[in-house]
Amino acid sequence: SQELEQSPQSLIVQEGKNLTINCTSSKTLYGLYWYKQKYGEGLIFLMMLQKGGEEKSHEKITAKLDEKKQQSSLHITASQPSHAGIYLCGARAYNTDKLIFGTGTRLQVFP
Amino acid sequence: NAGVTQTPKFQVLKTGQSMTLQCAQDMNHEYMSWYRQDPGMGLRLIHYSVGAGITDQGEVPNGYNVSRSTTEDFPLRLLSAAPSQTSVYFCASSYSGVAPGTEAFFGQGTRLTVV
Repeated sequence: SQELEQSPQSLIVQEGKNLTINCTSSKTLYGLYWYKQKYGEGLIFLMMLQKGGEEKSHEKITAKLDEKKQQSSLHITASQPSHAGIYLCGARAYNTDKLIFGTGTRLQVFP
Repeated sequence: NAGVTQTPKFQVLKTGQSMTLQCAQDMNHEYMSWYRQDPGMGLRLIHYSVGAGITDQGEVPNGYNVSRSTTEDFPLRLLSAAPSQTSVYFCASSYSGVAPGTEAFFGQGTRLTVV
């Protein structure tokens, strides 16, 4: 079965610093989604990547999908306390209808 | 536009009790799914449905039942609650399966404690 592994599991950064979260799949990714979850709340859709080499940005968050479509990264520039939360990558499991998720990365940003 | 609505938000059950977690969406989405979220384990798929009358198992289906009699509703039933089912449960829906280009919308979650 396909698995999504995220790293790091936890990240604590000072406000203003840049950071990167990685999502690695055991199989080719068909539609990679990034979500953010604020503590105790539901998931908020950030962006979706489909094509190998694709890159998308929204405000200070940039997501990339590698050419082989097995790894994605989420980069936050000049982090702010509002970026704190849990970031999850999701994808359609290979050759199924299942939408699966990674293990999540907990981000804390301190002043 | 309510999106995906889950009820209840909090629930405490005794071991062996049964209950139904409700999920409703008003976006006419075909695809609906249930996940549980445990510390350090991300979201794990319990059951999902690609349309009314069609359901299938996810990664952790044991102890849970689902049915999809309408497009709007996708209830999750705990048959005999166990402490291992203490978790936060999320319902999600998307327009058409999980084809690329179709993001999933999530409910606010149900925090379940089994004592």
